[in-house]
Amino acid sequence: GQNIDQPTEMTATEGAIVQINCTYQTSGFNGLFWYQQHAGEAPTFLSYNVLDGLEEKGRFSSFLSRSKGYSYLLLKELQMKDSASYLCAAPRGGATNKLIFGTGTLLAVQP
Amino acid sequence: GAVVSQHPSWVICKSGTSVKIECRSLDFQATTMFWYRQFPKQSLMLMATSNEGSKATYEQGVEKDKFLINHASLTLSTLTVTSAHPEDSSFYICSAREKGTAYNQPQHFGDGTRLSIL
Repeated sequence: GQNIDQPTEMTATEGAIVQINCTYQTSGFNGLFWYQQHAGEAPTFLSYNVLDGLEEKGRFSSFLSRSKGYSYLLLKELQMKDSASYLCAAPRGGATNKLIFGTGTLLAVQP
Repeated sequence: GAVVSQHPSWVICKSGTSVKIECRSLDFQATTMFWYRQFPKQSLMLMATSNEGSKATYEQGVEKDKFLINHASLTLSTLTVTSAHPEDSSFYICSAREKGTAYNQPQHFGDGTRLSIL
């Protein structure tokens, strides 16, 4: 089967660094996506990893370990506007257009 | 950038009515669009895949006669919730992938439709 797990909620302080973890089990790995979703809004694309290692995009970085079935999203210099749900997603069952999403991690950034 | 427009953004209606939601790709063509449902504090659950010019494919447990999907053009897919009941109240989101792009390219999401059935 296929499964994606994330922590349900996290809290962090403005200006700090936070790491949101994601573990996955998929049949036929074809990369991992991270999306940001503010309440009542559409998800917006953050990153896509298919090779092991860390990819940095400004304040956001995403890491992948295929051997461990593990990814994380790293947010630096947290801002209040970063309060949102962060969704981990993977193409289902090989090279397919369909995405399976994790439950999402609701991040609350506090002053 | 690629923009997906979803309309309406918010619907309140009586039990038993049918509701149509539109999903349009504004500046690109999409042979495939996806319809998701999201309950409060839960993640997106794929309901069906809408294919231009052919029948939609539905995920297990989703009633195709209740959730009618039409994808008549490369820029428009519609989801009709027929005879809606309170348990159908949810946040419905569509997404689209630009024609010719591979699975490793991100999907572009609409802003969602909040459906409330009284």
